[in-house]
Amino acid sequence: DVKVTQSSRYLVKRTGEKVFLECVQDMDHENMFWYRQDPGLGLRLIYFSYDVKMKEKGDIPEGYSVSREKKERFSLILESASTNQTSMYLCASSLGGDGYTFGSGTRLTVV
Amino acid sequence: AQSVTQLGSHVSVSEGALVLLRCNYSSSVPPYLFWYVQYPNQGLQLLLKYTSAATLVKGINGFEAEFKKSETSFHLTKPSAHMSDAAEYFCAVSDPGGGSTLGRLYFGRGTQLTVWP
Repeated sequence: DVKVTQSSRYLVKRTGEKVFLECVQDMDHENMFWYRQDPGLGLRLIYFSYDVKMKEKGDIPEGYSVSREKKERFSLILESASTNQTSMYLCASSLGGDGYTFGSGTRLTVV
Repeated sequence: AQSVTQLGSHVSVSEGALVLLRCNYSSSVPPYLFWYVQYPNQGLQLLLKYTSAATLVKGINGFEAEFKKSETSFHLTKPSAHMSDAAEYFCAVSDPGGGSTLGRLYFGRGTQLTVWP
């Protein structure tokens, strides 16, 4: 089975901290995505990447950046965490027409 | 951009009753369509997908969905609900990518399914 692994299930950070969320997939997928999920708002795309060192903005990139130095790893960076970035963060990968495989998610709380 | 509308943010059924979760999409070209399920504090799991083969698609856990181009719909059904089906369900449509590459997915806002004993 394809596995997408997110490094933390739960994370608590302080306002202003720089936060790194890591995502690793083990099936050589080209495409990787970062979403945030909030009640009533569904999934919103933050950033995605179709290749190493390539990134594209999604619908809500403000306050975030990403890094993809290796094909299997896609990192989401909160440059200066704020309380409105408290959310569930979901990483996904895909290859061709099979749809996404999601990680288990990271629930981030910014205090 | 594509868009997906899921009618009803909450659906409640009794155990053994029919489950019907509605999804309508907008797409200018034949899309790929997906249903995902999310259990509490977990990521999303693929239930089923439509990729322009048979219009009636069978998925895991007894779920199925029918692609109706004329209605731009892809409703999810299950003949008999089980307590373990209680979860949030998301419909998604693809942005048709070039060649065999699947572009980004556009998700509906989700439908929370409650199953009463």
